[in-house]
Order: sequence, then structure tokens, then C-alpha cells
Amino acid sequence: GAGVSQSPSNKVTEKGKDVELRCDPISGHTALYWYRQRLGQGLEFLIYFQGNSAPDKSGLPSDRFSAERTGESVSTLTIQRTQQEDSAVYLCASSLGGSRYEQFFGPGTRLTVL
Amino acid sequence: DQQVKQNSPSLSVQEGRISILNCDYTNSMFDYFLWYKKYPAEGPTFLISISSIKDKNEDGRFTVFLNKSAKHLSLHIVPSQPGDSAVYFCAVMKGRGNQFYFGTGTSLTVIP
Repeated sequence: GAGVSQSPSNKVTEKGKDVELRCDPISGHTALYWYRQRLGQGLEFLIYFQGNSAPDKSGLPSDRFSAERTGESVSTLTIQRTQQEDSAVYLCASSLGGSRYEQFFGPGTRLTVL
Repeated sequence: DQQVKQNSPSLSVQEGRISILNCDYTNSMFDYFLWYKKYPAEGPTFLISISSIKDKNEDGRFTVFLNKSAKHLSLHIVPSQPGDSAVYFCAVMKGRGNQFYFGTGTSLTVIP
């Protein structure tokens, strides 16, 4: 069956430009997460969506970062006015929610800000 | 402030031997613990989990041990196989699944 997909797989942009990253979760998964992994570091939680509840945005590092999710489907993570420190792999994961916590990850989007 | 620590960035083990990966956490309120495996250029894949009401969970060659008093989690792989070579992340969760904290990962190399 189809797993979590993310696009683009790689994105190179210039400092100051806006970027939009897309995540398509597994069908039927009500929970969706965004993480960031900088070089040599662990996964850093960014934002969590669960069904129609208000998202948990506590991990977003600045107001340049925002994310949306349409119902229980696709999600987009937007970074405005990108900075070099935004360079990282951005990972999306989905899970069934409820008491099913196991997350299924996409392959990630590697963002490079020049 | 790191909630989860994996103090060994790398580990090498001979094929057939046991691999032991360790993870320490800071908050005794964490109640669900997971291990993920990650190959290069791929997202992490779920491996095994344990809830705080247990101290051991086994799935084939993989066993996770939880020592709540020491706030310590470990993953045992036995026997280790070359295909197990990957980066292993531990993750902890508190509450209703809205936020997970991941360690920095341990790169395991299984030598044939």
C-alpha cells in the first residue's frame, strides 16, 4: 500500500525566498506530524495535527514557519523568508491516532538555503 | 534542553553477536517509548515500542527494555545481521500522542 509521500525530495532556494513543502499521509491516518532534522542532530518536533482539533504548533521555531492541513489529508509546511539555518531535512509522519502511536515517516524533503 | 539522549553516536558489532543500543530520558512522566530505524535517504521506520506499564517487549530478534527508575531504555538485537546496519533513534512520548521527543541517534554497523 502507499506510504507517506513528500514533495519535493530536494529543494534549493536562495535566502529570503519562501518555500512550501508538501506531505501526503497514509489514507485513514488522522494524526500528522512535521519534524526537522539538521545535520548531525536528532529529529526536532515542529507541529502536530490530529483530526479536526486545533494543531499543536509548540515546536515551530519562529513565526516564519506555518503549516496547514486539509481535513485528514495533505499538509503543507511553509517557510517564509528562508534563512541559512533553515537548511535541514524536513520529515512528515502520520499515524492512526487514538492509542495507536506508531508513526510512519515519509522520505523527507532536503532543503538547502544558499 | 534535551529530553532524550543517546550518548553513543556509533556502535560496531560483529555479525551474530548482540547489539545493545541505549537511550536515557529526563522526564518520569513519559509513558510511551519507541525505537525507529533509519537508512540513508529514507525516513525512519518504526521498529518496536513499549508502554510505561511494562519493562520488556520482544519482537523476533528485537527486544526493548525499560528501566523506569533509571529513566533508561535499551534495544537489544540478537543475533545482529549486516542488514541491521542503520541509524537507530529512540523516541519518547508524554500524554496523548501530540508530541514526541527523539534522541540524536546511534549509527550501528554490523560487520560481516
